[in-house]
Amino acid sequence: KNEVEQSPQNLTAQEGEFITINCSYSVGISALHWLQQHPGGGIVSLFMLSSGKKKHGRLIATINIQEKHSSLHITASHPRDSAVYICAVRRVDNAGNMLTFGGGTRLMVKP
Amino acid sequence: DAGITQSPRHKVTETGTPVTLRCHQTENHRYMYWYRQDPGHGLRLIHYSYGVKDTDKGEVSDGYSVSRSKTEDFLLTLESATSSQTSVYFCAISSDRGIHGYTFGSGTRLTVV
Repeated sequence: KNEVEQSPQNLTAQEGEFITINCSYSVGISALHWLQQHPGGGIVSLFMLSSGKKKHGRLIATINIQEKHSSLHITASHPRDSAVYICAVRRVDNAGNMLTFGGGTRLMVKP
Repeated sequence: DAGITQSPRHKVTETGTPVTLRCHQTENHRYMYWYRQDPGHGLRLIHYSYGVKDTDKGEVSDGYSVSRSKTEDFLLTLESATSSQTSVYFCAISSDRGIHGYTFGSGTRLTVV
């Protein structure tokens, strides 16, 4: 079983819809990251969370440490939000400071 | 002003040839990483560095070596490229304990024919 699981793997939405992407992890972590990757593009860091909730524009990320779960929400979705969203965690026992990644959620927002 | 650049962006090489990918940063970050991204596997760590001349293996290090002779450069070498090493390679950097998050390079698409 992967240490970081995302759901759904694929998601299609209509423009304007509220979108939720979920991430569950099975290890102790010191931080959780949400990343965005556009087709053929590089990887951009959206959020780094260790507790609570963060908001940036139409994006909201939450984390529940006790339940080992995080969600990424997109309000008023737009076709430009179409991308792969990746959850990654930094394990608490991680001397090398590296990330462990989920498999990604491919989002397509149709106009 | 990316802070991190990878070169080359694309490369096609023949099986058995050596290949070196370069990651260059201008952020003076301590940690540097090489990941590969393949369909169905997500991003997987190849090697990482926690300082000049300090490197360690990741989960998919077989067939790869790295070097870091100065803070700003982290090189990934495929000593004898194989078709299974066809992938997209990403470099990433982070400061101590990742307090300021991670920054990823734009990726290198490597095809081994």
